[in-house]
Amino acid sequence: SQQGEEDPQALSIQEGENATMNCSYKTSINNLQWYRQNSGRGLVHLILIRSNEREKHSGRLRVTLDTSKKSSSLLITASRAADTASYFCAPETSGSRLTFGEGTQLTVNP
Amino acid sequence: GAVVSQHPSWVICKSGTSVKIECRSLDFQATTMFWYRQFPKQSLMLMATSNEGSKATYEQGVEKDKFLINHASLTLSTLTVTSAHPEDSSFYICSAKTGLEMYEQYFGPGTRLTVT
Repeated sequence: SQQGEEDPQALSIQEGENATMNCSYKTSINNLQWYRQNSGRGLVHLILIRSNEREKHSGRLRVTLDTSKKSSSLLITASRAADTASYFCAPETSGSRLTFGEGTQLTVNP
Repeated sequence: GAVVSQHPSWVICKSGTSVKIECRSLDFQATTMFWYRQFPKQSLMLMATSNEGSKATYEQGVEKDKFLINHASLTLSTLTVTSAHPEDSSFYICSAKTGLEMYEQYFGPGTRLTVT
């Protein structure tokens, strides 16, 4: 299975703190994508990192990818209450198939 | 840009009836669309991959006769849950991508199906 596995399952922090979520996967990938999902809603694409990239930034988001360890991390800096959501990593293999892990439930307390 | 819509956003139906869910790419042509199912507090599970003009490819364990997928145009894919049962109650989400240099998949807002 190419399922991404997120760690931790749940994370609770105070507003202004940084949040780090990790993702591991099993085999070779074309790219890895991070998504967020608010409760009962669809997914919002956050960032894509290709297999030949090691780090990528987008606003307060920083994603790293280590293909030798088959792992990725998502860092949200200066978190806000509005960042409260579930975050999923999705490794993409051939045929554009994304497989999702259980996600990390992030709670940012005001 | 890259907006995907789903209709309806929620539906309640009786056991034994069929329900159709539409997925539309509003401002781009989607050569490939994907259908996912998500149970409460669980991950998204890929059900099938739909390519315009061809038959859908179903994931292992997904009954193709129960979950009918039609990708009739470059902007529309439909999922029909036939003879729905209470265990089919779930959140169904579609995503779409183009065949161009765009790797991101854009997700619809989801459809909440409740079978009574």
